[in-house]
Formats: sequence, structure tokens, C-alpha cells
Amino acid sequence: DAGVIQSPRHEVTEMGQEVTLRCKPISGHDYLFWYRQTMMRGLELLIYFNNNVPIDDSGMPEDRFSAKMPNASFSTLKIQPSEPRDSAVYFCASSATYGTDNSPLHFGNGTRLTVT
Amino acid sequence: QKEVEQNSGPLSVPEGAIASLNCTYSDRGSQSFFWYRQYSGKSPELIMSIYSNGDKEDGRFTAQLNKASQYVSLLIRDSQPSDSATYLCAVNKDGNKLVFGAGTILRVKS
Repeated sequence: DAGVIQSPRHEVTEMGQEVTLRCKPISGHDYLFWYRQTMMRGLELLIYFNNNVPIDDSGMPEDRFSAKMPNASFSTLKIQPSEPRDSAVYFCASSATYGTDNSPLHFGNGTRLTVT
Repeated sequence: QKEVEQNSGPLSVPEGAIASLNCTYSDRGSQSFFWYRQYSGKSPELIMSIYSNGDKEDGRFTAQLNKASQYVSLLIRDSQPSDSATYLCAVNKDGNKLVFGAGTILRVKS
């Protein structure tokens, strides 16, 4: 089991550039979540998918953010255009059954995004 | 009012002592409660879950839930330096969302 795989691990970009974060969930998991973590706001849920369908995107901060899940093994989070306040660690997590004792959220290693 | 509130700490305890971490939540409809541990620069990992009022024990860890008081706690017995980390309380909201507290930094001194 390779776990949740995120890429890149680190991303440094200039304000105004497009940023794409990638995630491969654990095989067989049908829930996928995107979280953002900052010192000021902690761990925030941005969006989650069930069976590749977006269920709740109310945490997406604004229209500059978009997420897709074209198939069960791949998801992207895109920021266009990026701003310095988007600097954070972005985590992808997956679960077979949402947040239960038998199948907790499994987090990827995160992508540390720095927008200058 | 934040949905999930934790004291940011740091909470410092000597090795071998009991560490007590606390969390309150605002949504009375919440049914599932979790404690995650996050080491610096790493991703969160689940250490305990609790769904019913009372205590749940797993090794050195005990989770306590009081839904009437909207309060969740985590006790770590015989604390070890390796327990030094940030502990995140997470609560389900609206059935399918998992909302995290800001976390409590625990430092176990040898």
C-alpha cells in the first residue's frame, strides 16, 4: 500500500501564475478530500469528492480555486491566478468510508506552496 | 465562535506524566469525534476515534466524550518524548464534513 501520493512536495511560484497540485488516493477508497493548513487558520476542508463526484466545495475560498477528479485514481487542485495569501500546505486525504473507525482519513505528505 | 476549539498550548509535561488535551465543539448534531497527531513537517495521523459518551481506551491513550457539555478530551498516560507533537481534535459536521481544531502543541520533557 503506497498510501496517498501527492505531487509536487514543494512548489514555489510567482504571484499570478497557475498552480496545479496532484493527488493519487489509496486504491479502493471512494472518498477524496482536499485540505489546506496554515498557522493562522489551521486545517481547513476545501472540497471533497465521493465516487469522483464533488459533494461539497463550500470551503473553496474563491473562484481562483478549482478541483477535479476525472477518475478514481487521480485528482487535481488548481489555483489560477495564485496570490501570496495562498501560501500554505495543501493536503489530500482519502477514505474508504468517511471518517469511520474502520477507515480513517489517510493523508498524503502534503504540498508546501509558496507564492511570492 | 469557532466550530472546534482547542488550547494552542504548548502543554509541557514531564516524561512519565499524564498529558490531558481538551477540545470543545459547537455543533450539537455532531456524532463522530477524532484525535489526530501531527509531527512537525508531517501529515496528520489518526490515533483515536470516539462516538459514544464515556471513555474509550487504546493502550496509553484514553478518549473521553461528553456530548451534553460538547467536550472531548484525550489523555496520554506515561507520556514519552516521542509523544511530542501537535494534537488535532476533529469533529464531523453536517454528516460528512470533518472539521479540525487548530491543535494543541504537546511537549514531553525527559
